[in-house]
Amino acid sequence: QKEVEQNSGPLSVPEGAIASLNCTYSDRGSQSFFWYRQYSGKSPELIMSIYSNGDKEDGRFTAQLNKASQYVSLLIRDSQPSDSATYLCAVNLVLGSARQLTFGSGTQLTVLP
Amino acid sequence: GAVVSQHPSRVICKSGTSVKIECRSLDFQATTMFWYRQFPKKSLMLMATSNEGSKATYEQGVEKDKFLINHASLTLSTLTVTSAHPEDSSFYICSAPSRAEGYTFGSGTRLTVV
Repeated sequence: QKEVEQNSGPLSVPEGAIASLNCTYSDRGSQSFFWYRQYSGKSPELIMSIYSNGDKEDGRFTAQLNKASQYVSLLIRDSQPSDSATYLCAVNLVLGSARQLTFGSGTQLTVLP
Repeated sequence: GAVVSQHPSRVICKSGTSVKIECRSLDFQATTMFWYRQFPKKSLMLMATSNEGSKATYEQGVEKDKFLINHASLTLSTLTVTSAHPEDSSFYICSAPSRAEGYTFGSGTRLTVV
């Protein structure tokens, strides 16, 4: 079982629609969760971080975390063509003094004008 | 905010040569640096974790002698791909824990071995 799994897509939505990206993780000890956006040929950039159960909103982005279900999602409202990118879910596990970020395989999102 | 400067951004080298990639934390001390590799349309795969003042920790399947990692100071970590081959062509990215639970990524290095 992969440690972090994402719906691989590709996902296409029309401009103005809501894009929903999902991620599950296997390690119940995971403590913090991140969504990164990666454009082709570029390094990932942080979109959202979430640490506790519930919703966290930042502009058009909402991250949702359910630790009991080991599930984290990202909603993008009023999707724009500039949102077209690969979205990476990442989970941070802390072991003693060490911490490591594990990435999902990514979901490619295309927002159609 | 925290910045990690990664150089070079692109490099083309001949088979059998070595290539060094540098990552510098510009405004914070990075005692740890993570090195990732990414193939086209794939996710980031952790190769190794470098720690200032001690040996790097390599992930399973990553050749230590081929991918030499040095963490010379609190602001500099380097990855050297030795005796490069075409199958080493990839996108290499470094990342450092920068605050609380956050991570800062370098801009990546596109390596092409011909």
